[in-house]
Amino acid sequence: AQKVTQAQTEISVVEKEDVTLDCVYETRDTTYYLFWYKQPPSGELVFLIRRNSFDEQNEISGRYSWNFQKSTSSFNFTITASQVVDSAVYFCALRLMNRDDKIIFGKGTRLHILP
Amino acid sequence: EPEVTQTPSHQVTQMGQEVILRCVPISNHLYFYWYRQILGQKVEFLVSFYNNEISEKSEIFDDQFSVERPDGSNFTLKIRSTKLEDSAMYFCASSWDLANEKLFFGSGTQLSVL
Repeated sequence: AQKVTQAQTEISVVEKEDVTLDCVYETRDTTYYLFWYKQPPSGELVFLIRRNSFDEQNEISGRYSWNFQKSTSSFNFTITASQVVDSAVYFCALRLMNRDDKIIFGKGTRLHILP
Repeated sequence: EPEVTQTPSHQVTQMGQEVILRCVPISNHLYFYWYRQILGQKVEFLVSFYNNEISEKSEIFDDQFSVERPDGSNFTLKIRSTKLEDSAMYFCASSWDLANEKLFFGSGTQLSVL
C-alpha cells in the first residue's frame, strides 16, 4: 500500500528564515508522481509542483525548491526567505502512474511564519 | 486561469438528511474527483469519475454516497442520509487526463452535520 508521511505536524519560523518541510513516501511501484499542495487559511488546495519518479532533478521556482531523493524516498520542500504569506498547511502527496487515479495525501505540515 | 467552482461554500444539515454538493469542473476536463478533509486532518480520496462512470472509489465511499454528472457540466456528490462523521470540507477536482500535471481543486464545501 502507498503511504505519505509528513513527520512535522507544525513548524514556526521567523520571517526571512529558510524552512524545509519533510516528506517521506512509501510505494512498491517504480512509477509514480509526487506533489506538493498548499492550503492557505482560506481553505482551498493550491497546486505547487509535480515530479515524476523518472526525474530526480531538483527544482527551483522563485523562493521554493524541492529535493527529490529516490534513495531515501523523500521529497522535501524548502522555502527560502520565508514570508508571512507562506503561512499555510502544506501537503505532500503521491499518485501511482497509470494504475490509480487517486492521490494519497500526507497529513500536512502547518507552517507559521512569524513577523 | 480556469477554475473549478463548488456550491454552496457552507452547508448545514440535520443528521439523517440528504445533501447534494455541487461542482462545476473546468469545461474541457474529462476526469472528476471528490476528496474530503475532516477538520485538522489529511485530505482523503473519495471517488473518481470518468466517461460517466465511477472509475475508482475508496472505502469511505459507501452506499450512502453517490455521484452524478447530470448535464455535462455539473458534477454532484450526494450523501443520502448524513451522519455526524460526514462533517468535513469536501473538495471537487478535475483534470483533462490522468497524466495531467495539475489536478484543479475547487475551493471546497464545508458540510456541517448537526
